[in-house]
Amino acid sequence: QSALTQPASVSGSPGQSITISCTGTSSDIGVYGYVSWYQQVSGKAPKLIIYEVSSRPSEVSNRFSGSKSGNTASLTISGLQAEDEADYYCSSYTSSSTLIFGGGTRLTVL
Amino acid sequence: QVQLVQSGPELKKPGASVKVSCKASGFSFSSYGIAWVRQAPGQGLEWMGWISAHNGDTDYAQKFQGRVTMTTDTTTSAAYMEVTSLRPDDTAVYYCARQWSAMDVWGQGTTVIVSS
Repeated sequence: QSALTQPASVSGSPGQSITISCTGTSSDIGVYGYVSWYQQVSGKAPKLIIYEVSSRPSEVSNRFSGSKSGNTASLTISGLQAEDEADYYCSSYTSSSTLIFGGGTRLTVL
Repeated sequence: QVQLVQSGPELKKPGASVKVSCKASGFSFSSYGIAWVRQAPGQGLEWMGWISAHNGDTDYAQKFQGRVTMTTDTTTSAAYMEVTSLRPDDTAVYYCARQWSAMDVWGQGTTVIVSS
């Protein structure tokens, strides 16, 4: 099964909002509500920031939000801060009872 | 606190096997699953599979079926992943993570280098 499709990079200035898309198929994102997003700062382990499409762990800032439409999920970061600069990965449950990741998106804060 | 602590780095020759451990603490180990995710140098995350600590059920990514074995020991709250027939392209950081509908607690990662 191919990886979910994410843009390789996005950028934004402090205070702006950015959105990262994650496109799958009718065998994963399109049929399951188990889409997650992870933030990975260089050299560190990934950190869960969104689960089940739009839920947020209590310790994660409400500047992070998630949504889904059809086969595409999206992560929006509002009020961009320098500390948000990282790699972001989406993940979805699949009809094969496995998980699949997107290729990752590097966020640069200008 | 809730954490997963993994074993140390490994250097292996092609064709050898490696077994990575992941020790859980701070939560009810048997109530969750443990996933294994790897990241090759400069590359993205790759989900390898998952094991239920409750009953030992496993699901492996098709790419790893037959070469990867995941096990748990509920008496010590530990999970293990063994990869056989190692190749240079298995060089990566291997992570364990607590998995339910998402992976919310991650180990620190174990570097495995496969080189002759």
